[in-house]
Amino acid sequence: DTEVTQTPKHLVMGMTNKKSLKCEQHMGHRAMYWYKQKAKKPPELMFVYSYEKLSINESVPSRFSPECPNSSLLNLHLHALQPEDSALYLCASSLQLHPTSSETQYFGPGTRLLVL
Amino acid sequence: GQNIDQPTEMTATEGAIVQINCTYQTSGFNGLFWYQQHAGEAPTFLSYNVLDGLEEKGRFSSFLSRSKGYSYLLLKELQMKDSASYLCAVRDFDNYGQNFVFGPGTRLSVLP
Repeated sequence: DTEVTQTPKHLVMGMTNKKSLKCEQHMGHRAMYWYKQKAKKPPELMFVYSYEKLSINESVPSRFSPECPNSSLLNLHLHALQPEDSALYLCASSLQLHPTSSETQYFGPGTRLLVL
Repeated sequence: GQNIDQPTEMTATEGAIVQINCTYQTSGFNGLFWYQQHAGEAPTFLSYNVLDGLEEKGRFSSFLSRSKGYSYLLLKELQMKDSASYLCAVRDFDNYGQNFVFGPGTRLSVLP
C-alpha cells in the first residue's frame, strides 16, 4: 500500500469558518508534510512533521495550524482564512526525515480549497 | 538561496522524444527528483538522481551533472497521456532533515 489519502477532496469555506483537512498514510512513514500549491505553480512547503513532532514551519500564518495526533495521521486546522489562501493543499509522506537513499515523498491527491 | 529553473511550456508530437531541462542553484544538494503532475492531481514520482549520469526507467530517463547544476528528463515514444506538468525538485538537508525544493514545472502538451 503506497497510498496517502486526503479528505475532503473539495472544500468551500467562508472567512469566518473553522475547518480541518485530514491526511492519512499506513506505510509506516515517520515524516509527513503539508504543501500549498497555487494554479500553475509548484508546491510550496508549509510544515514538516518527524516522529509526530513539528520539525519545519516555513513561516506560515497562524491561521493555519497543523497537528499530528499519531504516526499515521496529519491534520491541518484552518481558521479565519483569506481568499488568497484558496489553493490545492497537498499532503505527502516519506519513510523518515533523514533518508540515506533514493527514497521519495509520496503525495496524496490533495484538497482543493476555495475561500469566499 | 534556492533557485530552480525549468522551461514553462513545451509541445511535442505523439511518438516523438522530448527533453525537459532543469538547472538549479541550491545551498545544499542531496538528490534531484522528477515528478509528473496531471492537472488537479498529486505529483507522482518518476525518477531520482544523486550521482552524475543517466538513469533509465522504461520510456523515461533522467540525467544529472552536479558540477553544472543541470538535469534533464527524457521522454521517449510520447503518448497523449504524457501531457502533464513535470516538476524538478532538489532535496537538501538542513538541521531539521530533508527539504524538497520544487522548480516551477514544465507544462508538456503532446499533440496527435
